[in-house]
Amino acid sequence: QVQLVQSGAEVREPGASVKVSCKASGYTFTDGYIHWVRQAPGQGLEWVGIIKPSSGHTTSAQKLQGRLTMTRDTSTNTVYMDLTSLTSEDTAVYYCARDLGDWGPGTLVTVSS
Amino acid sequence: QSVLTQPPSVSAAPGQKVTISCSGSSSNIGNHDVLWHQQLPGTVPKLLIYENNKRPSGIPDRVSGSKSGTSATLDITGLQTGDEADYYCATWDDSLNAGVFGGGTKLTVL
Repeated sequence: QVQLVQSGAEVREPGASVKVSCKASGYTFTDGYIHWVRQAPGQGLEWVGIIKPSSGHTTSAQKLQGRLTMTRDTSTNTVYMDLTSLTSEDTAVYYCARDLGDWGPGTLVTVSS
Repeated sequence: QSVLTQPPSVSAAPGQKVTISCSGSSSNIGNHDVLWHQQLPGTVPKLLIYENNKRPSGIPDRVSGSKSGTSATLDITGLQTGDEADYYCATWDDSLNAGVFGGGTKLTVL
């Protein structure tokens, strides 16, 4: 079955960067898309970006353009989300999700001084 | 504020039916399929409906979705206390060139 395993929780200071990984298994990695979705404490779901593992093509939410980089490694079936210039507003659980159907467990990113 | 509008909350008694609406525009719902997710407290979102009205395996047929024009609807019949959760609609938006979620609807089973 499809499984998405994400890296562990991170704590960063404002202005720093964070890189979250999402390792896929149970399906052909280059089929479909991987979305990144985040959820701030007590808030709703917010779409962050999407990567097509077959090509590496990415699209990011407008508000994160310039700070968000998504990459993939087809040798390890892993996608990465790199977010720079962090502020407290980036504090959230970050999920990866294959075609928004199968979801990873989430990675808590806390931005605090 | 999301480009997809959902009611913040809905409620109904056990055994009853509830309808959750998701209103969008021609650049999103009007031109793309809608998904619905359920998020139980403290858990990962779970796909309930894809391609407007299709259920993944394991989702009971008392859950159904529909789309008409620029709006979509999620219906849940035979409500159970275990249905208490937040529900989100999602689709793609051509104007934003981005995925979009509704603001979420909290379902309370009285």
